[in-house]
Amino acid sequence: AQSVSQHNHHVILSEAASLELGCNYSYGGTVNLFWYVQYPGQHLQLLLKYFSGDPLVKGIKGFEAEFIKSKFSFNLRKPSVQWSDTAEYFCAVNAGTGRRALTFGSGTRLQVQP
Amino acid sequence: EAGVAQSPRYKIIEKRQSVAFWCNPISGHATLYWYQQILGQGPKLLIQFQNNGVVDDSQLPKDRFSAERLKGVDSTLKIQPAKLEDSAVYLCASSLSGLAGGETQYFGPGTRLLVL
Repeated sequence: AQSVSQHNHHVILSEAASLELGCNYSYGGTVNLFWYVQYPGQHLQLLLKYFSGDPLVKGIKGFEAEFIKSKFSFNLRKPSVQWSDTAEYFCAVNAGTGRRALTFGSGTRLQVQP
Repeated sequence: EAGVAQSPRYKIIEKRQSVAFWCNPISGHATLYWYQQILGQGPKLLIQFQNNGVVDDSQLPKDRFSAERLKGVDSTLKIQPAKLEDSAVYLCASSLSGLAGGETQYFGPGTRLLVL
């Protein structure tokens, strides 16, 4: 069975600070990896995803993530956060074949202070 | 493009009562998912439909939860009878085909259920 770990449950940063949120998954086969974001009062929306090709993927709003297969990791990064990045961030995975439903991590709440 | 619609947005019931949630996916999306998100946790799949057939309901508590997607479009999720531990946000998501692993799932706003 797949599982996803997000070790940072709550992160507080000042504006302009750099961000890195950790995500590790447990699955032996080919995977597809996703980062979703939930802004206050809004629904979950896709930030970025990896399913093949360049392991460094770029998403919306200046976010990027790097798939490191040997470390089973897909960490999310942003060089300079803004107050508007305050949200909850979820890492998710599904298998490369078969079941398409996502397995989510428990989420990281990011608070950016102006 | 209209997104995934869900109703109601909020529901408060007492334990042992029944409740139903409705979802209308993005037009043309063949695959529909229901997830349960308990406070402090990530969403967890309850059931996945491909058109009007069930693909995966392995994590659906079938003694109390049921879901249908009769015409392959909108879907209802029912809980009968509800328990306190069913308090959660129920999310509906859809994707175009459900066949490609890297396919984006689009989420609705969710229904927040409180069982007293």
